[in-house]
Amino acid sequence: NAGVTQTPKFQVLKTGQSMTLQCAQDMNHEYMSWYRQDPGMGLRLIHYSVGAGITDQGEVPNGYNVSRSTTEDFPLRLLSAAPSQTSVYFCASSYSNGWGVMNTEAFFGQGTRLTVV
Amino acid sequence: SQKIEQNSEALNIQEGKTATLTCNYTNYSPAYLQWYRQDPGRGPVFLLLIRENEKEKRKERLKVTFDTTLKQSLFHITASQPADSATYLCALDPSSGSARQLTFGSGTQLTVLP
Repeated sequence: NAGVTQTPKFQVLKTGQSMTLQCAQDMNHEYMSWYRQDPGMGLRLIHYSVGAGITDQGEVPNGYNVSRSTTEDFPLRLLSAAPSQTSVYFCASSYSNGWGVMNTEAFFGQGTRLTVV
Repeated sequence: SQKIEQNSEALNIQEGKTATLTCNYTNYSPAYLQWYRQDPGRGPVFLLLIRENEKEKRKERLKVTFDTTLKQSLFHITASQPADSATYLCALDPSSGSARQLTFGSGTQLTVLP
């Protein structure tokens, strides 16, 4: 298994441009999440999904859109990039281990380093 | 508002000693607490998970404690090695336990000196 794959690894955008950060997982996990990591602030949750067709907002959702049409993919869209969105973005997936028992860990991708100028 | 603090941004220790990292939280009642390791330019990697009704969890040279009264978790690495040098993140998970909505601390950068 490749695990969680994010593309691209690096990206430079101009203010106002749009782009989509891709995230794919091959572990058949129900849950997927997007985080951003800024210096000194740890990872903050942007959006998450509990299954295909179901998404919800996290702590810092403004300026980002998500959709989940398949179990495998969870793209993050920036509609109009702003310098404040310069960050490292991580996608993660997790799962329920059957019989309603939770208690699982998150698997992270390698990250996308985004710079908005 | 919810707040998670890890004791220091950086911690230097000598090889062979025990490293102890602290994670404190306020205005939060997590059911699960997790610890991750992050190397430069990489995503976090899961290490250990402890539930609110567990006092202590061990895995090889790692030990985690969870005190819901003090609202604190301690993470210990015994017999530390230079290869243990990394940033360690604590993460709180609300009642779902599904790790889909983690709240992270800002991390402690551990350096083990040879």
